[in-house]
Amino acid sequence: EAGVAQSPRYKIIEKRQSVAFWCNPISGHATLYWYQQILGQGPKLLIQFQNNGVVDDSQLPKDRFSAERLKGVDSTLKIQPAKLEDSAVYLCASSRTSIPEQFFGPGTRLTVL
Amino acid sequence: GENVEQHPSTLSVQEGDSAVIKCTYSDSASNYFPWYKQELGKRPQLIIDIRSNVGEKKDQRIAVTLNKTAKHFSLHITETQPEDSAVYFCAADYSGNTPLVFGKGTRLSVIA
Repeated sequence: EAGVAQSPRYKIIEKRQSVAFWCNPISGHATLYWYQQILGQGPKLLIQFQNNGVVDDSQLPKDRFSAERLKGVDSTLKIQPAKLEDSAVYLCASSRTSIPEQFFGPGTRLTVL
Repeated sequence: GENVEQHPSTLSVQEGDSAVIKCTYSDSASNYFPWYKQELGKRPQLIIDIRSNVGEKKDQRIAVTLNKTAKHFSLHITETQPEDSAVYFCAADYSGNTPLVFGKGTRLSVIA
C-alpha cells in the first residue's frame, strides 16, 4: 500500500508571497487532515476533510489559509499572503472512515523569509 | 477542548535501559491514544496505540498503559537501542475520524 504523498518537500518564499501544498492520501482513505508542525512542537490541526466536505476548520487562519479537496481524493493547502510565523512543516495525514489510525505524509517544510 | 500534556521534554538513557514517557489528557470523552515516533526530518510514524477499553498493550519492546480514571497514559520502551533515539509524541482522539491532539513531544536519546 502506497503511503501519503506530499509535494513539494521544501519551499522557501518571502513574506507576503503565496504558496500551495499538495497531498495525495492513501487509496481508500476518506478522511484527510492538514496539520501544522512548528519546530519543537507537536502537530496542530489546521483542517479536516471527510471525502470532499470540511469537518473541522476551526483552527485554520481563514484570512490567509485556504484548503480544498475536490473529488474527495487529492487536497491542496494554500497560504496567501505568507507571514514569517507560517514557517513550519505542513503535514498531511489520512485515515479510513471509522478507523482512528492516521498515517502521515513526509511533510512540506516551509521557510518564510 | 482536549489538552494533552507530555513529560519529560527530553530523556537520555543508556543503551539497554528502559525509557518511560508519560502523558495526561483532559477530556474524559477521549478514547483513542496513539504514540508516534518522529526521526529528524521525517514523518511521524505510528508505533503503538491503545483504546479506552484496554488497560495495557504490548508489542515486542514497546508497551503502552492507560489509566482512564486518572486520565493518563504512558509509553514504555525496554532494552533501548540507539535507533530508538527520536522524538516521541503522544496524542488523544475522541473516537476515530476526529483530529488528534498531540503532546509537545519527548526527545529520547539512547547513549551507546
